[in-house]
Amino acid sequence: QQPVQSPQAVILREGEDAVINCSSSKALYSVHWYRQKHGEAPVFLMILLKGGEQKGHDKISASFNEKKQQSSLYLTASQLSYSGTYFCGTHEYNNNDMRFGAGTRLTVKP
Amino acid sequence: DAGVTQSPTHLIKTRGQQVTLRCSPKSGHDTVSWYQQALGQGPQFIFQYYEEEERQRGNFPDRFSGHQFPNYSSELNVNALLLGDSALYLCASSESGDSLGYTFGSGTRLTVV
Repeated sequence: QQPVQSPQAVILREGEDAVINCSSSKALYSVHWYRQKHGEAPVFLMILLKGGEQKGHDKISASFNEKKQQSSLYLTASQLSYSGTYFCGTHEYNNNDMRFGAGTRLTVKP
Repeated sequence: DAGVTQSPTHLIKTRGQQVTLRCSPKSGHDTVSWYQQALGQGPQFIFQYYEEEERQRGNFPDRFSGHQFPNYSSELNVNALLLGDSALYLCASSESGDSLGYTFGSGTRLTVV
């Protein structure tokens, strides 16, 4: 079951904040977040394993609400280098594979 | 430390032909997953290999098959190519247990004409 991401696209000015959401209709074991720049491979950002878990990586953090099967990625004080397409990947219980959302295209302008 | 290596980087094939794509996983990784990514879309799961066996399969026809070798490298084979098979094919490796995320290769861009 493919997760649903929102919004589809975001345009920001440098220094602004953004939130990207990911939800699933299935019970999730973990949520991954990746960023893909044009013409490049997706790059792993972080994984969230437990209900209510939050993680941070520089000015990028994420939360995972296991009960709601939802995850959010928070980008604060955005930089030009944050531009790219963000994908959430989800693992369901008793499933070995990871399914990806359709992606959120983030553009940061000077 | 080399990451995931895929070959070839680009490929043009004619409808009806067969193609083999190759992937060498990151050192220390024993699980390989293959994804198809159409332009502007998220990666779609094809299948996953672990211990030389197909462990999980997505919603792809039998024309898509794979193999994993004892050194954990993997191949993706597609028979009877269709125009709709044109896409970026991504290989991702991970450790069994998956607690550290997937490492993706740069992909093979397949164009079917």
